[in-house]
Order: sequence, then C-alpha cells, then structure tokens
Amino acid sequence: GAGVSQSPSNKVTEKGKDVELRCDPISGHTALYWYRQRLGQGLEFLIYFQGNSAPDKSGLPSDRFSAERTGESVSTLTIQRTQQEDSAVYLCASSPAVQAYGYTFGSGTRLTVV
Amino acid sequence: QKEVEQNSGPLSVPEGAIASLNCTYSDRGSQSFFWYRQYSGKSPELIMSIYSNGDKEDGRFTAQLNKASQYVSLLIRDSQPSDSATYLCAEYSGGGADGLTFGKGTHLIIQP
Repeated sequence: GAGVSQSPSNKVTEKGKDVELRCDPISGHTALYWYRQRLGQGLEFLIYFQGNSAPDKSGLPSDRFSAERTGESVSTLTIQRTQQEDSAVYLCASSPAVQAYGYTFGSGTRLTVV
Repeated sequence: QKEVEQNSGPLSVPEGAIASLNCTYSDRGSQSFFWYRQYSGKSPELIMSIYSNGDKEDGRFTAQLNKASQYVSLLIRDSQPSDSATYLCAEYSGGGADGLTFGKGTHLIIQP
C-alpha cells in the first residue's frame, strides 16, 4: 500500500481481555517495527521483524505480549490478559531494510484498558 | 543502555525566528541520526536524516551533527505556526536489534 496501515485506530477493552493489533507495512518494506507511546511519553521500542523473523524479543514488556509477521506483509501484536498499564498508542513502522533508514510510521492504535 | 536526551520544553519561538532544537546521545557507535516531527495526536513523521559530521540543509530545515561531542541539532528557519509540534531525535547504532532509539522529544511552540 501507499503507507503503513494500522487497525483498529482505537480499541477500548476490559482489563483481562486479549487484544490483537494489526499492521500492514508499505509494500516491499522488509523491516517492520512496533513501538509503544504512553501519553506524554517518548517512543518505547517493542520488537522488530526482518522478513517474518524477529531476532530479538527482549523489548517486549512481558510474556503477555507476542508478535508475529506473515512473510514480508502483515504483522500482528497480541496482548493477552490486558492490564491498565498497557493503555498507550501502539505504533507500527516499516523501512526498506534493517539498516540506517528512517522509518515510516502508521497512524497508530490507541488502546485503552478499562 | 543507549540514551538520547532532549530538553522537553516547551520551547517558545516567535514567528519568523530561528528555532534551535538540540539532542545528545550516549552511544559513540551511533551511525545515523533522524529528526521526526509529531503533531499532537498524530504519528511521527520523518523530516531529516544525517549521517556524517557537519550540516545538512533541506528547505527551511538544517540538521547539524558533531560526533565528537555526541550532539545533533535541528534548526528551523523562518519558523511558522505550523511548525508547532513535538520534535523527536532518534539514533541508529547498527545491528538492528533494537531499532532506532528515540529521545522523548522537545515541544516547540511558534508564537504568531
């Protein structure tokens, strides 16, 4: 696609429920990144994919978080048993490769856990 | 632990003046540096990248890099009210393991 697409744009969920966030990167971009941004805070790196491989998952905040990517296309970030501290904007970005390129961000998913 | 430091602001600049945004980084191995603009409620947008010491100009924007001092800056000439946003500095030190490291951003306000 023309840009990075994320869905849903907003998600309100009850504490303890599971949520799935989706990211569709720019066509041909092999690298895909997930960041979290809490209100008024900076960007917190979560995980990146080179193709469908995630070499380092240590940035994920807890074992309730998982991510996968199908080929060099759509990625999903899943949060199980959501907690209130998970409330944030989840941003996805893609780049042509895992090198020193700037990223193109999607518009984000605003997650609110009530 | 890599760190990118920015003054959170707000930095208030009169319209038409030069806005100067500063950033320091901790990793001497950092290779590439980026400036992103983030409007309130929106996602970050890449506006400048710089890879070597010196200045890089693009329109009203100039990025400056000094690797010896571990310092990168962004100058915005002829500031406009539409430049009011949070500006994020980011660095990349290679390996890809943790992507770009972002600063927390400087909130810039251009006063008409």
